[in-house]
Amino acid sequence: GDKVKQSPSALSLQEGTNSALRCNFSIAATTVQWFLQNPRGSLINLFYLVPGTKENGRLKSAFDSKESYSTLHIRDAQLEDSGTYFCAAPSNSAGNKLTFGIGTRVLVRP
Amino acid sequence: GPKVLQIPSHQIIDMGQMVTLNCDPVSNHLYFYWYKQILGQQMEFLVNFYNGKVMEKSKLFKDQFSVERPDGSYFTLKIQPTALEDSAVYFCASSLEAGGSDYTFGSGTRLLVI
Repeated sequence: GDKVKQSPSALSLQEGTNSALRCNFSIAATTVQWFLQNPRGSLINLFYLVPGTKENGRLKSAFDSKESYSTLHIRDAQLEDSGTYFCAAPSNSAGNKLTFGIGTRVLVRP
Repeated sequence: GPKVLQIPSHQIIDMGQMVTLNCDPVSNHLYFYWYKQILGQQMEFLVNFYNGKVMEKSKLFKDQFSVERPDGSYFTLKIQPTALEDSAVYFCASSLEAGGSDYTFGSGTRLLVI
């Protein structure tokens, strides 16, 4: 089965609204990373998390290693937030082989 | 911030030919990676490389694939011979430490095998 499960698979947001993406792990994730793949295909590193929370502008992420999930909150969505959001966690003991979720495709509408 | 550069950004190649994808990692990074993304799907780990050696590879890293970084130059992924199913976007990444927070991806090479 999927080691890293993302939900929802797709999301359509009105500009200015808030939403949350979720990642559930069936592996013993010690860290989690969130990436945004923009419409041009480039991967942008959003967050690297140990258990806890981080905030960067309108984005906030939390990681609970005991309950094996992570969330990414988007506040006041803007058109440039459109893209596919991926979460990833290391799946080897060295911590350098990332297993990705299937992604959440986000479309922000004006 | 520091960047990983991938050359070329696009490549079209005839099935059976050889292709080399080039990656210029972040200058002080020590760990290098290749990932494969088939159109619109999730990223899949191919291989990681450290100190001149392959450390780990996945089932997707077929016998036709090889990686090297001769003398600290480009980190390369070579596919010989190519097959139709090799068509994908190949992302290179690098990090200073294993599992580091500085895991940095390039913009990808879009490979089309025809």
